[in-house]
Formats: sequence, structure tokens, C-alpha cells
Amino acid sequence: AQTVTQSQPEMSVQEAETVTLSCTYDTSENNYYLFWYKQPPSRQMILVIRQEAYKQQNATENRFSVNFQKAAKSFSLKISDSQLGDTAMYFCAFNTGANNLFFGTGTRLTVIP
Amino acid sequence: NAGVTQTPKFQVLKTGQSMTLQCAQDMNHEYMSWYRQDPGMGLRLIHYSVGAGITDQGEVPNGYNVSRSTTEDFPLRLLSAAPSQTSVYFCASSYSSASGANVLTFGAGSRLTVL
Repeated sequence: AQTVTQSQPEMSVQEAETVTLSCTYDTSENNYYLFWYKQPPSRQMILVIRQEAYKQQNATENRFSVNFQKAAKSFSLKISDSQLGDTAMYFCAFNTGANNLFFGTGTRLTVIP
Repeated sequence: NAGVTQTPKFQVLKTGQSMTLQCAQDMNHEYMSWYRQDPGMGLRLIHYSVGAGITDQGEVPNGYNVSRSTTEDFPLRLLSAAPSQTSVYFCASSYSSASGANVLTFGAGSRLTVL
């Protein structure tokens, strides 16, 4: 069974600080892809960053980076220099090359001014 | 380029009524899917389609029907609405990136309330 676990239902961070959101997953597949999606109050699902499991190098997109630990099946998201616009729900997700995504239950992040 | 367009954005139904959530994409993506989002449960797959004329069930298909007559459109039908179908519904389409990752693009969501 494919499962995704986000153990932090809510987190908060001071503006300009750094925060890390945790995600673990379980799959028997060797080749898969990992994603972080952001859902602001507008409800739109926005892709933040993705990681291919066959790549050892951690993905980075501007202030967003991941710590991918394949053996531990861990995929955390680090947000540097947090901004008020980062306030949102963050979902970890993965697929195995097919199109269907398996989602975690989300972490609600609040950036405090 | 409109991306993925869902209509309506909000809908209130009475138990037993039927309705269709519309989804259209203009990116020529072969794959389209419907998810529902409930509090504390993330997004769960309802139905998906890998191309015109081909559909299949996801994790929570009961009470929903889909068809795919064109590449662009993938409507979701509620046959007889129940309060348990109160949820936010997302349509998505996807493409394969150069790395092999299938990247989903989501619509803006449709909030459905069944009384």
C-alpha cells in the first residue's frame, strides 16, 4: 500500500525565519516521484517543488528546498526567509510514474509577522 | 492559456438531487482526474482517465460517474447526492516532464454542500 504521513497538523514560523515540514511515505516501488503542493486560502493547489527518487541531489526552488532521504523514506520541505504569502496548507504527495497522486493529510503553516 | 477550468465554484444540493461538475483543460493533456478534499484527510482520488474513451476508478468512486468523450472535458456526475458527498472537488490534468515525473495541474476547486 502507498501511504504518505505528515505528522505535523499545524506549524507556525516568524517572518524571515526558516521552517521545516516533515513527510514520510511508504512504497515498495523503487522508482517514484515526490511533490510538495501549497494550498493558500484561495484553495488553489500550487506545485511548490518535486523530487525524482532516482536523483540523489536534493531539489531546490528559490526559497524552497527538500531533504530527501530515500532509505528512511523521508521527504521534508524547508522554507527559508519565510514570507506572509507562505501561509497555507502544505501537502506532501507522491506517485510511482503513473499519474495518480497519493497525498498526506497536510500541514497548516502560519507565518507570523 | 486557461489551464484547468472547473464549474461551478460553489453548489448547494438537496439529498437525492443529481448534478454534474464540469472540468475542461486546454493543454492537450491525456490524463485527467477528480479528487475530493475532506478536512483532515488530504485529497483522495475518485476517478481518472488516461485518454478519451478510457476511465477507471480511484480510491473513492462510489456515488460518482465519469465519462471522457473528448480530450478536453472530464465531467463528474453525482447520481443521487448524499450528505457524505459534501466536500471540495478538484479536477486535475497532467503531463510527463522531461524527468519522467507526471506533474498534475489542478483546477480551482468546487465546493459542494449536500443538505
